[in-house]
Amino acid sequence: GIQVEQSPPDLILQEGANSTLRCNFSDSVNNLQWFHQNPWGQLINLFYIPSGTKQNGRLSATTVATERYSLLYISSSQTTDSGVYFCADRMYSGGGADGLTFGKGTHLIIQP
Amino acid sequence: GAGVSQSPRYKVAKRGQDVALRCDPISGHVSLFWYQQALGQGPEFLTYFQNEAQLDKSGLPSDRFFAERPEGSVSTLKIQRTQQEDSAVYLCASSLVRGSAYEQYFGPGTRLTVT
Repeated sequence: GIQVEQSPPDLILQEGANSTLRCNFSDSVNNLQWFHQNPWGQLINLFYIPSGTKQNGRLSATTVATERYSLLYISSSQTTDSGVYFCADRMYSGGGADGLTFGKGTHLIIQP
Repeated sequence: GAGVSQSPRYKVAKRGQDVALRCDPISGHVSLFWYQQALGQGPEFLTYFQNEAQLDKSGLPSDRFFAERPEGSVSTLKIQRTQQEDSAVYLCASSLVRGSAYEQYFGPGTRLTVT
């Protein structure tokens, strides 16, 4: 199955700073999702982005499927952005649904 | 509309007890997934249902783990004779499959602590 590498593992920033989180994949990208896990453990869907670029407020994401990576950009960070950010993709290539393989996450701390 | 719900949110079990964790998917979502998340790690796949059919159970760590979805809606993950290494957050997700594209939505999880 696919392997997912996330970087950096930890990131500490001041409020207002911008950041870029990266995911590399060992195989072709199929159903890439970005999530934010808040301090209460809830996984919140940020983007479903198997290819291309999407923006939602201060967040945007770009997936370059041919090069097997995706980037998540957070601009003008706020303390509420703190938490763990995960990327995930389908475990196996091919049609139909199957489970997701997650990276180990980027632990983001935004200091006031 | 309502999201994925899970119950209980917290469960403490003595080693050797059986537990049952419930998942209510988003209405109309045919695919349902269970994941296990250990502390400080990303979620790991356990099993997958399409309607009532369990299509993949390759991630279940032992034969003490059993999942069912008898009517293609609510699902139950059962762990028999719990061990300390079963302590984790158990997450349920559902998705609406459109061809080869789908997006999974997660519930709040059940935090299981085995003492």
